[in-house]
Amino acid sequence: DTGVSQDPRHKITKRGQNVTFRCDPISEHNRLYWYRQTLGQGPEFLTYFQNEAQLEKSRLLSDRFSAERPKGSFSTLEIQRTEQGDSAMYLCASSAGQLGEQYFGPGTRLTVT
Amino acid sequence: SQELEQSPQSLIVQEGKNLTINCTSSKTLYGLYWYKQKYGEGLIFLMMLQKGGEEKSHEKITAKLDEKKQQSSLHITASQPSHAGIYLCGADDTDKLIFGTGTRLQVFP
Repeated sequence: DTGVSQDPRHKITKRGQNVTFRCDPISEHNRLYWYRQTLGQGPEFLTYFQNEAQLEKSRLLSDRFSAERPKGSFSTLEIQRTEQGDSAMYLCASSAGQLGEQYFGPGTRLTVT
Repeated sequence: SQELEQSPQSLIVQEGKNLTINCTSSKTLYGLYWYKQKYGEGLIFLMMLQKGGEEKSHEKITAKLDEKKQQSSLHITASQPSHAGIYLCGADDTDKLIFGTGTRLQVFP
């Protein structure tokens, strides 16, 4: 296993368009997290899954954002009607249960023009 | 809500010098994690501290959690260009991590 992967690595979209990102966690990890990071800031928690169940969502996650993890494997994060303020790095992480040891993917950098 | 403050925000050191990065929490820490991030990339887990007074080392990096569990420090001995990056502390916050704003480290020859 080569670690957590994310696709695409970069996405440029026009305001108002929908975008979808994918995260493939380490195969034996049951927890999957999404974070958002803007320039000069630490990552901010968005949501997390234990297996296929979405257990918590941050208030940062407006109704334009939706995340899924069908069958408890890969996850997708969709942003509808993108806004310029959505421009950020979207990071995915997975863990085998112990909270702190999260393994991060390389991130998807979103630019909304 | 819990907040983490890191200092300094930025650090430029000459290769071979020692340095320390601090992370202070507004609440008691029940788990403190240090990560490193290269610009534009994901985070790499470095160390986890849970007990007051705990100290862990990996190669030339040592992290400590104070007895009161509200502050942690990361010390790098004899810095090298490979140590350059952004160092982030993270804390348990009920099933998720919250992060400090990071310390950007540059090491010049």
